Amino acid sequence: AQTVTQSQPEMSVQEAETVTLSCTYDTSENNYYLFWYKQPPSRQMILVIRQEAYKQQNATENRFSVNFQKAAKSFSLKISDSQLGDTAMYFCAFTRYSGAGSYQLTFGKGTKLSVIP
Amino acid sequence: DAGVTQSPTHLIKTRGQQVTLRCSPKSGHDTVSWYQQALGQGPQFIFQYYEEEERQRGNFPDRFSGHQFPNYSSELNVNALLLGDSALYLCASSLVGSGEQYFGPGTRLTVT
Repeated sequence: AQTVTQSQPEMSVQEAETVTLSCTYDTSENNYYLFWYKQPPSRQMILVIRQEAYKQQNATENRFSVNFQKAAKSFSLKISDSQLGDTAMYFCAFTRYSGAGSYQLTFGKGTKLSVIP
Repeated sequence: DAGVTQSPTHLIKTRGQQVTLRCSPKSGHDTVSWYQQALGQGPQFIFQYYEEEERQRGNFPDRFSGHQFPNYSSELNVNALLLGDSALYLCASSLVGSGEQYFGPGTRLTVT
């Protein structure tokens, strides 16, 4: 079974600064996807960024980027120029193909990020 | 472009009752997954539906059942409710064969 570990229950960052959220995972699979989701107090889970395991290049989406270390099974999220709207729970998630066109997401317990004005 | 929608937003039920939650997938998506998110935890996979059949199931008892309709919308049914079933229930949609899932706003279920 796959597991996802987020070792930082809470973090804070000053507005406009940079913060990195950590995630490690455990799997014996070679082909899989990793995601970061954001869940603000409104509770809508929003996809922030995705990474395919077969791609060596780290994914980037505007102010969000990842550091994907496949051998170390590490997948951290860097948020640059932090904004007040980035305040939310951030979940790291893993998925692999489960057959019959099916994927299921395995989530970590989340990191609560607070951006301080 | 319509995103994933869920109804109702909130629901309060009594132990032993039954509940039905509803989900409409994002336009163009054909696969629906359901997740349970307890307070302070990450979501846990319940099951996934494609072509009106349950394709994958997580570690949840048979009290949790579902259905997918020809228009790809889905229902989650929970029988014999327990206090521990109180949680946020999230629906996610995707295209079959895609690992990328998009979530709805969730239904907050409280069992008293």
